[in-house]
Amino acid sequence: NAGVTQTPKFRVLKTGQSMTLLCAQDMNHEYMYWYRQDPGMGLRLIHYSVGEGTTAKGEVPDGYNVSRLKKQNFLLGLESAAPSQTSVYFCASTTGGALGTEAFFGQGTRLTVV
Amino acid sequence: KQEVTQIPAALSVPEGENLVLNCSFTDSAIYNLQWFRQDPGKGLTSLLLIQSSQREQTSGRLNASLDKSSGRSTLYIAASQPGDSATYLCAVIKSGSARQLTFGSGTQLTVLP
Repeated sequence: NAGVTQTPKFRVLKTGQSMTLLCAQDMNHEYMYWYRQDPGMGLRLIHYSVGEGTTAKGEVPDGYNVSRLKKQNFLLGLESAAPSQTSVYFCASTTGGALGTEAFFGQGTRLTVV
Repeated sequence: KQEVTQIPAALSVPEGENLVLNCSFTDSAIYNLQWFRQDPGKGLTSLLLIQSSQREQTSGRLNASLDKSSGRSTLYIAASQPGDSATYLCAVIKSGSARQLTFGSGTQLTVLP
């Protein structure tokens, strides 16, 4: 029972490089999210998706792009990494039903941009 | 804009004590409130989910309450153990949103042996 799986777990990038973070969930959840966690700032929403083929901006979307081509996967891309994007990135998913439902998180990706 | 505040930011208690962690939110129109635990360098583990129609939830030594009208939730931990040491985060989902979670900054708990 994998839940939410993030790949990779750690990465070091040079400024200007690009990369893609992969989030996969096996719970058939409709809604998926990308958050970043920074000391003193808490968790902030980057982008989210309410279903396959949909994406929307969150609180801090600049410098990131996302895609949800398959229901189970949500990709976060950095086209030109900057040191300000050094952070821990978390993916989450939930069913998004009419009643409040539980959100599940991945183990995080620790990204350092030098 | 929904704002979530957790007080205190850090708490240190001796083993065996009962303790209460506080969470307050500014907009009472929420779907639910969820408490998480985060160990250093790890992901978020869900502890308890309280739906907007509920007033409390219990799991083992944990009890979470919700008072929507006052914008408050508490997480009660009974008979604390060193293994309970972690950061505890509360998050709310605002009604009408795409189930986005808004997080507090967390309470860092240390239980001393």
